[in-house]
Amino acid sequence: DADVTQTPRNRITKTGKRIMLECSQTKGHDRMYWYRQDPGLGLQLIYYSFDVKDINKGEISDGYSVSRQAQAKFSLSLESAIPNQTALYFCATSTPALGNEQFFGPGTRLTVL
Amino acid sequence: AQSVTQPDIHITVSEGASLELRCNYSYGATPYLFWYVQSPGQGLQLLLKYFSGDTLVQGIKGFEAEFKRSQSSFNLRKPSVHWSDAAEYFCAVGAPWMDSSYKLIFGSGTRLLVRP
Repeated sequence: DADVTQTPRNRITKTGKRIMLECSQTKGHDRMYWYRQDPGLGLQLIYYSFDVKDINKGEISDGYSVSRQAQAKFSLSLESAIPNQTALYFCATSTPALGNEQFFGPGTRLTVL
Repeated sequence: AQSVTQPDIHITVSEGASLELRCNYSYGATPYLFWYVQSPGQGLQLLLKYFSGDTLVQGIKGFEAEFKRSQSSFNLRKPSVHWSDAAEYFCAVGAPWMDSSYKLIFGSGTRLLVRP
């Protein structure tokens, strides 16, 4: 099955550490997204990429950076993690050919101590 | 600004009972509307979507939703809940974005608990 995978699924780290969350997809979609989910707040868009050379900030990009290494890979980095970045992080993909419906990965639970 | 409100943080229903999850949106034009479900440890799965046309939309797993422009609502319903429906449900608005795309704006979610 074509899929969206995220690694790691869980991560505990300390304040000040650099962390990378990875997203890979076998759907062949050109568009990829990173979201953050906090309890009681729904999902908020961090960064999005419409193709390998296109990277855009979302609503809450401060403290994050991304890299689109290939069409199938989109990584999210926290250069210096802080406790309020503790959250559930989701990657999603879409393609105009499917009406841009977004398909989500299983999520990465990040805890910053 | 666009926003989505899900007024119920938690809802508990008995298995076999009917379900309605509320969603209200704030948007200047006719929005694209979505319901997603998030099961424990899983990503979000699209249940149904409304773009235009018939205001009663059928989705997967026996769910349906009705768009009511006059009430700015898009409530999700199911006539008979199964224990496997226990999950968190998110309503979202798709605000038109660049080219033919749209940007998803999510509500805060409603957690559904199902009593045996």
